[in-house]
Amino acid sequence: DGGITQSPKYLFRKEGQNVTLSCEQNLNHDAMYWYRQDPGQGLRLIYYSQIVNDFQKGDIAEGYSVSREKKESFPLTVTSAQKNPTAFYLCASSIGTGAFFGQGTRLTVV
Amino acid sequence: QKEVEQNSGPLSVPEGAIASLNCTYSDRVSQSFFWYRQYSGKSPELIMSIYSNGDKEDGRFTAQLNKASQYVSLLIRDSQPSDSATYLCASRDNQAGTALIFGKGTTLSVSS
Repeated sequence: DGGITQSPKYLFRKEGQNVTLSCEQNLNHDAMYWYRQDPGQGLRLIYYSQIVNDFQKGDIAEGYSVSREKKESFPLTVTSAQKNPTAFYLCASSIGTGAFFGQGTRLTVV
Repeated sequence: QKEVEQNSGPLSVPEGAIASLNCTYSDRVSQSFFWYRQYSGKSPELIMSIYSNGDKEDGRFTAQLNKASQYVSLLIRDSQPSDSATYLCASRDNQAGTALIFGKGTTLSVSS
């Protein structure tokens, strides 16, 4: 089955800790994206990558980092510099049409 | 004006009625528009795309685009309780490659 897989589904982070969210796709899509969604809010773009080994900051990149070493993978690291990381994180990919989403990772700071 | 703007609702309609969801946009976005449905606690699901002025129909869904007035709408005919969800309007961000910029979504409630 083709699709986008995010893991873990739920993640708990302690104060001052870095955590990495996984995103893997087998759709052969060139472009991949990370969005953040807060309650009652739309999706906000964190980072995007149009092609392997290249990525760009979105509207809210501060406190986050990414890599794109393989076409299939686009992991997101939430660093300790992100002061309010509790949110629903969504990874997506596209091939020029609308984007398709993984099932999301819900991150909570404890 | 925000790049993509939606009325947050909630929009309440009885079962079998037509639900009309609206979205306005600014010059920051391209002329490609997408409607997503998001159930509570789930990720968004693409349900319609529209690129040209006019109407596009797919089953019970009709997307309408009016470039002169900068609005796009989604009509849901014969609304069902299973249509109860948040509907997100999105378009390509001219400043971010192929990334989409989203409205905050309109919550639809269909009562039986």
